[in-house]
Amino acid sequence: QLQLQESGPGLVKPSETLSLTCTVSGGSISSSDYYWGWIRQPTGKGLEWIGTIYFSANTYYNPSLKSRVTVSVDTSKNQFSLKLNSVTAADTAVYYCARGQVAAGYYFDYWGQGTLVTVSS
Amino acid sequence: DIQLTQSPSFLSASVRDRVTITCRASQGISSYLAWYQQKPGKAPKLLIYAASTLQSGVPSRFGGSGSGTEFTLTISSLQPEDVATYYCQQLNSYPLTFGGGTKVEIK
Repeated sequence: QLQLQESGPGLVKPSETLSLTCTVSGGSISSSDYYWGWIRQPTGKGLEWIGTIYFSANTYYNPSLKSRVTVSVDTSKNQFSLKLNSVTAADTAVYYCARGQVAAGYYFDYWGQGTLVTVSS
Repeated sequence: DIQLTQSPSFLSASVRDRVTITCRASQGISSYLAWYQQKPGKAPKLLIYAASTLQSGVPSRFGGSGSGTEFTLTISSLQPEDVATYYCQQLNSYPLTFGGGTKVEIK
């Protein structure tokens, strides 16, 4: 059974960089059948897609965050990561990592449990 | 960007009622639409993909239909465990976008 687990600091200071890692277990991150994504959700609000990385290393980012975000993959560790720099209180949210299916519609079929990141001094 | 408008934003219905949620896209997205269920404190769970394909393990009372710009999620007989917020997502083009959500409660 595939599992995804987010990890990283739960508290980040304003203007600093938010760094999260998603560890994938029960399957390989090195497959052209899938892509990997980050989604966030401020408390009490809806879902916002952050960015996506493919096996080819192609990345796509939400234009509203593009200048601040980087998604990367470490195949040796079966992990992918999110970096969001120059954070503000508006970046406080639960951050989810997820696996996307390349075939049959690109939907996210497996999600991590989510990790709350608070931006505060 | 493709905007997704869900309606209603809140829905209260009785057990065994038929429930329908609508998701409208600002431009055509073929069948590149997914529906997710999110319970409080939990990650979203995939219910429907490609607009109408039921994800493995999801009860058959959930169904999806539509293509182009108008889509529906139907729960044929609402159960207490279906209390949740439901989101649609378009996967036709980047940036990927979600609808605003529909919160479903039991009357």
